[in-house]
Amino acid sequence: GAGVSQTPSNKVTEKGKYVELRCDPISGHTALYWYRQSLGQGPEFLIYFQGTGAADDSGLPNDRFFAVRPEGSVSTLKIQRTERGDSAVYLCASSLGPGAGSQYFGPGTRLLVL
Amino acid sequence: AQSVSQHNHHVILSEAASLELGCNYSYGGTVNLFWYVQYPGQHLQLLLKYFSGDPLVKGIKGFEAEFIKSKFSFNLRKPSVQWSDTAEYFCAFHSGGGADGLTFGKGTHLIIQP
Repeated sequence: GAGVSQTPSNKVTEKGKYVELRCDPISGHTALYWYRQSLGQGPEFLIYFQGTGAADDSGLPNDRFFAVRPEGSVSTLKIQRTERGDSAVYLCASSLGPGAGSQYFGPGTRLLVL
Repeated sequence: AQSVSQHNHHVILSEAASLELGCNYSYGGTVNLFWYVQYPGQHLQLLLKYFSGDPLVKGIKGFEAEFIKSKFSFNLRKPSVQWSDTAEYFCAFHSGGGADGLTFGKGTHLIIQP
C-alpha cells in the first residue's frame, strides 16, 4: 500500500520568502506529525494533529511556522519569512491514532534557504 | 526535559561481528520505545518497538532490543551483522499515552565493512 508522501522532495528558496510543504498521510491514519531534522541530528518534533486539530504544537520554534490539516488528511507546513537557519529536512509521519501504534515516516522535504 | 542519549555517533564493524548500540532516555513516566533505521538514500523505517510486556523485543532483520526500566535503557543488539546493515540508527520514545511526538536521539552511524 501507499506510504506517507511528501512534496516537494527538495525546495530551494531565498531568505525572507514564504514556503509551503505538503504531507499526504497513509489512508485511514488520523494522527499526523511534523518533524525537522538538521544535519547530524535526530528528528525534532514540531507539531501533531489528531484529525483536523493541532493537538500539540509545542515544538514549533516560533510564530513563523504554522501548519494546517483542514480536512483531516493532507497537511501543509507553512514557513513565513524564511531564514537560513530553517534549512533542514522536514519529515512527516502518520499513525492510526494517539497511542494506537507506530509512526510511519515519509521521505521528507529537503529545504535549503539561501 | 525529555531527551534520548545515544552513546556512539559512529560505529565501524566487520561483517559477522556482534552489535550493541546504546540508548538511554530521560523521562519519569511510562514510555513507548522505538528504534528506527535509515538506510542510505531511504526514509526512516521502524526497526522494532516496545509498548509493554516482555522487555526483550524482536524486530526485523534479526535485530532485538531490551528495555531495562531501572537503567532507563533500550539497547539495540544483533548477534551477527551484515554489510547491508550499514545505516543510521535512531532511538526514540514517547510518553505512555502516545498522544505526543517522538523524542529522538542524535543517531548512530553504523558502517559494516565487508
